[in-house]
Amino acid sequence: AQTVTQSQPEMSVQEAETVTLSCTYDTSESNYYLFWYKQPPSRQMILVIRQEAYKQQNATENRFSVNFQKAAKSFSLKISDSQLGDTAMYFCAFLLNAGGTSYGKLTFGQGTILTVHP
Amino acid sequence: DGGITQSPKYLFRKEGQNVTLSCEQNLNHDAMYWYRQDPGQGLRLIYYSQIVNDFQKGDIAEGYSVSREKKESFPLTVTSAQKNPTAFYLCASRVRPSGNTIYFGEGSWLTVV
Repeated sequence: AQTVTQSQPEMSVQEAETVTLSCTYDTSESNYYLFWYKQPPSRQMILVIRQEAYKQQNATENRFSVNFQKAAKSFSLKISDSQLGDTAMYFCAFLLNAGGTSYGKLTFGQGTILTVHP
Repeated sequence: DGGITQSPKYLFRKEGQNVTLSCEQNLNHDAMYWYRQDPGQGLRLIYYSQIVNDFQKGDIAEGYSVSREKKESFPLTVTSAQKNPTAFYLCASRVRPSGNTIYFGEGSWLTVV
């Protein structure tokens, strides 16, 4: 079975600064995806960024980038130039993409509440 | 517009009653999921379905049931056996076999009164 751990229940950052959210996961598989989702107060789950495990290059989407360390099973999210609209709960998620009894199962971490202060 | 539609947005249930939450997608996705979220908590997987007429239990399936008779529909029934059903429920879908993006509906709030 796969597990996802987010060790930071809450984080805060000043507007325009940079913040990094941590995520570790446990799996014996090699073919999977990792995601970061944002959940604002509206509760809508919004995909922030996606990483394919077979790609060594770290994914980047505008102000959002990841540090993917496959051997260490670590997947952190860096938010640059933080904006007030980034205030939300952030979830790390794991998706097994081939084989195994958990194929297709999307597993989430417990979430990190990020607050951006003006 | 393409997307996932969950209904109702808010639902109140009396103890001992079964209720069904609807999830419809017009994205032509094969895989669909149901998650439960309690206040301040992460998402826990209830059931998921990879193809029509097939589904698997997630981590907290007890007290819930699903069906997948049509590709676009994956309703979730919260039965009276679910002891603490008050929560936020999210439906999601994904394209198979190459899909690498999970799309979510806007969720349904269920309150037991």
